[in-house]
Amino acid sequence: RKEVEQDPGPFNVPEGATVAFNCTYSNSASQSFFWYRQDCRKEPKLLMSVYSSGNEDGRFTAQLNRASQYISLLIRDSKLSDSATYLCVVVYSSASKIIFGSGTRLSIRP
Amino acid sequence: DGGITQSPKYLFRKEGQNVTLSCEQNLNHDAMYWYRQDPGQGLRLIYYSQIVNDFQKGDIAEGYSVSREKKESFPLTVTSAQKNPTAFYLCASSIGLRTDTQYFGPGTRLTVL
Repeated sequence: RKEVEQDPGPFNVPEGATVAFNCTYSNSASQSFFWYRQDCRKEPKLLMSVYSSGNEDGRFTAQLNRASQYISLLIRDSKLSDSATYLCVVVYSSASKIIFGSGTRLSIRP
Repeated sequence: DGGITQSPKYLFRKEGQNVTLSCEQNLNHDAMYWYRQDPGQGLRLIYYSQIVNDFQKGDIAEGYSVSREKKESFPLTVTSAQKNPTAFYLCASSIGLRTDTQYFGPGTRLTVL
């Protein structure tokens, strides 16, 4: 089993829809979590950190469920510009280890 | 403007040749990293450096070498020992080692002919 797993998608949803995807992790010692966005043939860019209490940034909401060992990303009122691959990142601070998921592809159609 | 740069953007290499990828940052970050990304896959760590003159192997270091003679620079050499070097190479930096947000360069796309 991979240490960090994501549904590869693609998720194909209409503009304005709400879409959510999860990222599961296997090591309960993980301490920090992030969502990155990567456009086609570009570098990843930080979208948001994921805090234990959950956090929101505009149309984006990130949640952490430690009991079930997953993080989620919810996008409301999706825009065409949201089309990208979303990478989850899990950090094990004690081991100074950072693991990237393989990404979930999202495609927003007009 | 502060940032992290990589050059070249595209690189072609013949089999059996070594090639060096450049990575420079002016963010005053201590930590720097090299990742490899293959199509449809996540990033895999090649090497990382916490401080000048120090670097550590990541998960897939075989066939690669690095140096960290200056804080701003962390070049990666892809040697002929790397069996499948064609990939997208990403350099990143962060304030501290691996627990801080990483900032990525634009990447170098290496193709072996």
